[in-house]
This record gives sequence, structure tokens and C-alpha cells, in this order.
Amino acid sequence: QVTLRESGPALVKPTQTLTLTCTFSGFSLNTRGMGVSWVRQPPGKALEWLAVIDWDDDKHYSRPLKTRLTISKDTSKNQVVLTMTDMDPVDTATYYCARIQNSIIRGVVMGSYNWLEPWGQGTLVTVSS
Amino acid sequence: SYVLTQPPSVSVAPGKTATITCGENDIGSTNVHWYQQKPGQAPVVVMYNDDDRPSGIPDRFSASNSGNTATLTIFRVEAGDEADYYCQVWDSGRDQVVFGGGTKLTVL
Repeated sequence: QVTLRESGPALVKPTQTLTLTCTFSGFSLNTRGMGVSWVRQPPGKALEWLAVIDWDDDKHYSRPLKTRLTISKDTSKNQVVLTMTDMDPVDTATYYCARIQNSIIRGVVMGSYNWLEPWGQGTLVTVSS
Repeated sequence: SYVLTQPPSVSVAPGKTATITCGENDIGSTNVHWYQQKPGQAPVVVMYNDDDRPSGIPDRFSASNSGNTATLTIFRVEAGDEADYYCQVWDSGRDQVVFGGGTKLTVL
């Protein structure tokens, strides 16, 4: 059974750096084609994709947020860490991590990715002084 | 780059058919995935790769993708289908996951 769980501070102050950890089980980021992605959702608003890291340590970021985001993995701990700098009240959101897999065509791992499943339960981060 | 356009809301009576669209130029050339999100819960994929259904998702859920529109269809809608629905693609030109703006399905 694949599970993911987000952890991190519930409250951060403006200008601070947010560090979130996704701890997962049931799969390994040493496995070809596996990846973990982060998505956030401000209260009452739509899903917004943030970043992905995969088994080959390829990383991709949301272009509007690229300068503020860093994603990394610790395969020995089955964890993926997302940091977001210079937090602002508009960054208040529920942050989710989810498993994502590379597209594989005729046994070749492509640079593209598929759907996100499953998702963690999410963690609400409020940015306020 | 992809900008996925969904109607903000769709309303349907129980037992009827709900149709939720996801529009973008030439979306038919890429795989589209659909998520259901109920209040206070994480999203769950209900359709993937245009028209594949995960195990555990009722066969009342169907989807298609052609031309400039991907469509999620829910037949014989039930009260429990009331949720927000999102479409998603991988934008290979910009190396981004892209979500649609979401559609709130209301069961009357």
C-alpha cells in the first residue's frame, strides 16, 4: 500500500523560509520511473502544482515560483523535502505531496510524467505575522 | 504552454448525466487526467490517460479527449458525486504539471 504524509510548520512568518517534508512508504525513489510531486491549494481555490523530483534526480519547478523553490530527496529515509523562500500571506495554503511516475513507452523512461496518485492528506500552512 | 479551461460550476439532478469539459488548443494530442476532490479531502484520480478508469472508480465515470476538448462524463449522477473536479496534463514544452481551474459539481 502506497502512502504519503506531509509534515512541517502550521504557521510561518512573512519572509521566512518554509520547509516541508513528505514521508512515503510502499514505493522507492530508487525505482526507475518513480517520482514525488508537491501541489498546493489556497483556501477555497484551485490546485497549483509546485515541483517534482524523480528517481533519476531530475527536478522540475513551477515557472512562476521557480526562484523560491527547492526540492530534494533522501532515498534512505523515503523522504522528499520542499523548501519555499520568502513566504508571504498569499502562500497560505494546504500543501500536498503525491506520487507521480514517468511515462514509460516500450520500456523507455520518458521525460514526461503521468498522473498524481495517491496523495497525502495535506498540511495547512498559514503565513502570518 | 497549456492553460486548461474548465467551467466553474456544473449542476445536475440525481440520475442524470454530468459533463465537465477541459479546454485547450490541441489538448487531444496529450494525455489528460481527472481528479475528484471532496471538501476537506485530498484529490483522488478518477480517470487517467484520457479514458482509463482506476480500480475502485465506478463505471459511471467516463472520459474522452479529442481536438481542443477533454471531457469527463458522469452517468447516473449520485449525491456522493458532488465534489470539485480538476483536469491535469503534463506540459512537455515547459516541463510542468498543469491543472485546470476546477469545476464544482452540484447535485440538485
